[in-house]
Amino acid sequence: DAMVIQNPRYQVTQFGKPVTLSCSQTLNHNVMYWYQQKSSQAPKLLFHYYDKDFNNEADTPDNFQSRRPNTSFCFLDIRSPGLGDAAMYLCATSKGRTNEKLFFGSGTQLSVL
Amino acid sequence: DQQVKQNSPSLSVQEGRISILNCDYTNSMFDYFLWYKKYPAEGPTFLISISSIKDKNEDGRFTVFLNKSAKHLSLHIVPSQPGDSAVYFCAASGVAGGTSYGKLTFGQGTILTVHP
Repeated sequence: DAMVIQNPRYQVTQFGKPVTLSCSQTLNHNVMYWYQQKSSQAPKLLFHYYDKDFNNEADTPDNFQSRRPNTSFCFLDIRSPGLGDAAMYLCATSKGRTNEKLFFGSGTQLSVL
Repeated sequence: DQQVKQNSPSLSVQEGRISILNCDYTNSMFDYFLWYKKYPAEGPTFLISISSIKDKNEDGRFTVFLNKSAKHLSLHIVPSQPGDSAVYFCAASGVAGGTSYGKLTFGQGTILTVHP
């Protein structure tokens, strides 16, 4: 089945230690997104790639970076995780960018010690 | 500035009865609305959507109603089943905020519990 896969499901890192979360898709979608969701809050868009074109949200901290080496893979790099970065990170894909439904992965739950 | 709001954090319903989940939005540029369902430890899954040119869309037990003048949408689940117990997010999309594309903005979610 075509899907969006996130690894790992759970990630524990230390305060200030760089961490990378990964996402892959078999849907061949043009757009890949990274959302951050904290407990009882709405998922918050960090950035997205439209093909190779990177689009950062204005309020996304510089601590968060992303790479998309090819259509199938996208990575979220957190350069120096703080305690406030502990959250569920959701990867999603869509065919286009406007009025499209998003397909989500299962998420990576990040803990920062 | 929360542009999509789900004011009820939780809803409890008896099996077989109707569940009504509500969502309000503030941005008149939104023209496409979606509902997602999320089980614990899983990502959100798409449930149903509606374009602003319609006021109702139905898919099996799920119906979404859109009231553009009130900037309000609702999801009706009839009849409710215990397997429907999950967090429901509404989301809205539209060309807004200076962007040339329809970024999806989510509400905070409503926890639905359906009791047997």
